[in-house]
Amino acid sequence: ETGVTQTPRHLVMGMTNKKSLKCEQHLGHNAMYWYKQSAKKPLELMFVYSLEERVENNSVPSRFSPECPNSSHLFLHLHTLQPEDSALYLCASSQDFLAANQPQHFGDGTRLSIL
Amino acid sequence: RKEVEQDPGPFNVPEGATVAFNCTYSNSASQSFFWYRQDCRKEPKLLMSVYSSGNEDGRFTAQLNRASQYISLLIRDSKLSDSATYLCVVNPNSGNTPLVFGKGTRLSVIA
Repeated sequence: ETGVTQTPRHLVMGMTNKKSLKCEQHLGHNAMYWYKQSAKKPLELMFVYSLEERVENNSVPSRFSPECPNSSHLFLHLHTLQPEDSALYLCASSQDFLAANQPQHFGDGTRLSIL
Repeated sequence: RKEVEQDPGPFNVPEGATVAFNCTYSNSASQSFFWYRQDCRKEPKLLMSVYSSGNEDGRFTAQLNRASQYISLLIRDSKLSDSATYLCVVNPNSGNTPLVFGKGTRLSVIA
């Protein structure tokens, strides 16, 4: 049983659609993350929120838009995606951001397919 | 040099075998190290943290060599259920990247 839940588990959408991925953590953590995992590639960090504030990091196309309304919830809003955006999108949380010896806990992921 | 580098495998071993995975990291300032396990089409799950003195958890032993910037994972008495991809993960202690993940090493334990 995971302390981080993601919905939906699977999503198929056209390139012109708008959809949102949702993540909720029940661990009382202060930091939340979105990752992208494509076949044969390492996990790519997309966004980080620490205490509900977005931390600037890797540049991500503007067709991905994160939202963190509170410390327990994280959204990833999607619009006009491209076929190469098909991947597994993983949400994770950790007690604090950039603290040593703190692992991250992952949700089940949303498997996204762009038609 | 890649930030975190692992042999992708696959490692195909019989049940009961001992198997070792290696991982190297490029940033000497890295301060925390982990091994995660990821089953097919599932999320990564923390297997164990890696401590400077080395640590053991049942059949699993992790070692860290800071001088060589090298981490290892040893699995003894392999079980079929150990089949998965093992991810080497490093906290680089620089910039705004909390953790850097290797591509993973795939293990298949065969009956």
